[in-house]
Amino acid sequence: DSGVTQTPKHLITATGQRVTLRCSPRSGDLSVYWYQQSLDQGLQFLIQYYNGEERAKGNILERFSAQQFPDLHSELNLSSLELGDSALYFCASSAAVGTYSTDTQYFGPGTRLTVL
Amino acid sequence: DQQVKQNSPSLSVQEGRISILNCDYTNSMFDYFLWYKKYPAEGPTFLISISSIKDKNEDGRFTVFLNKSAKHLSLHIVPSQPGDSAVYFCAAAGTDKLIFGTGTRLQVFP
Repeated sequence: DSGVTQTPKHLITATGQRVTLRCSPRSGDLSVYWYQQSLDQGLQFLIQYYNGEERAKGNILERFSAQQFPDLHSELNLSSLELGDSALYFCASSAAVGTYSTDTQYFGPGTRLTVL
Repeated sequence: DQQVKQNSPSLSVQEGRISILNCDYTNSMFDYFLWYKKYPAEGPTFLISISSIKDKNEDGRFTVFLNKSAKHLSLHIVPSQPGDSAVYFCAAAGTDKLIFGTGTRLQVFP
């Protein structure tokens, strides 16, 4: 158990809809990262928040947005969903400020999103 | 444009033998490299990392080698155990950039 929780575990929705994925980081971690893993794809870094502020952006679509709340949990909002958005979405947390560092990123179990 | 490539989608190794997983990268600005292991239905777990100032880092049965001139890194697992069966991702990091490979599925059989 990494200490990072993600809800829901599974989400099935239709094209055009909007969903919200939730992540609670490990206790004490200030950084939250979001990743997307599509079929046969590596982990694609989407976005990082540190202590409530956006820290780094990766391959995040404009239809997607995220935020980190004062209690440090984070939400990833996906809107105008398309079939191609079906993927595993992982959240990770670390104590680090940077997008990477010697501080390990701890991953949650992921949310599997299926867009029909 | 795949900046981090794991060209072998799968690898099968007998228990007790050495497993070698390979990873190539294209961006010379990467200066930190990581390996993650992922079991089904779980998130990736950090395994081992190496800074670009080193060419080798060892942790128990796991050793990562970095060849900067060839832009290549490899993960050696010796001896391999059935519990090592998982998907292994390499990742390369630079300033505000962290790129993962597509993963190699390792199967260790008895």
